[in-house]
Amino acid sequence: DIQMTQSPSSLSASVGDRVTITCRASQSINVNLNWYQQKPGKAPKLLIYAASRLQSGVPSRFSGSGSGTDFTLAISSLQHEDFATYYCQQSYNTPRTFGQGTKVEIK
Amino acid sequence: QVQLVQSGTEVKKPGASVKVSCKASGYTFTNYGIVWVRQAPGQGLEWLGWISAYTGDTNYAQKLQGRVTMTLDTSTSTVYMELSSLTSDDTAVYYCARPDGNPQYFAYWGQGTLVTVSS
Repeated sequence: DIQMTQSPSSLSASVGDRVTITCRASQSINVNLNWYQQKPGKAPKLLIYAASRLQSGVPSRFSGSGSGTDFTLAISSLQHEDFATYYCQQSYNTPRTFGQGTKVEIK
Repeated sequence: QVQLVQSGTEVKKPGASVKVSCKASGYTFTNYGIVWVRQAPGQGLEWLGWISAYTGDTNYAQKLQGRVTMTLDTSTSTVYMELSSLTSDDTAVYYCARPDGNPQYFAYWGQGTLVTVSS
């Protein structure tokens, strides 16, 4: 199975800050990498697919980059509604695997 | 609009089985598969497997092989996930989602079904 490792596991930030979350795959997955946002009690919400493509309706302050084994999710200016947990997920092969999550908290 | 509506909360005893449903609407059911993902309390997301709504072909996570069965009813556009020999480790929220695109992603999710396994 492909292991997905996110860092950091949690971070504290203020509204307006730029935030970056990294995700590393245990082998090359090309650009088969998705990012999700999850709030308590809710299903995950797709933000970015194919490493860098913004899902329809997602604010442009979210962006994704990377290929191969190293990927980054960036939030250019953190808003109140962005405080949540973020997961990366590989779709290179099965089983599809997720990172352990990064919790973004209010400083 | 695409909707995936799941069945309600379940409480089961260890050793029992649970069957969770996921009813799809807003698209041609047989054009897409369905995946199941679970999330134990306070934990991350775990992919359980996939079923093709066109052929009924399945692909299960190896750790659940022999305990998980995914089936479908095309007449009602419903997918079922049955998990047997439950233990407390199976306590989780179970989600269905629709795979889309190439590379694949999950843009549409059900609301989740809480399954609690307790004696």
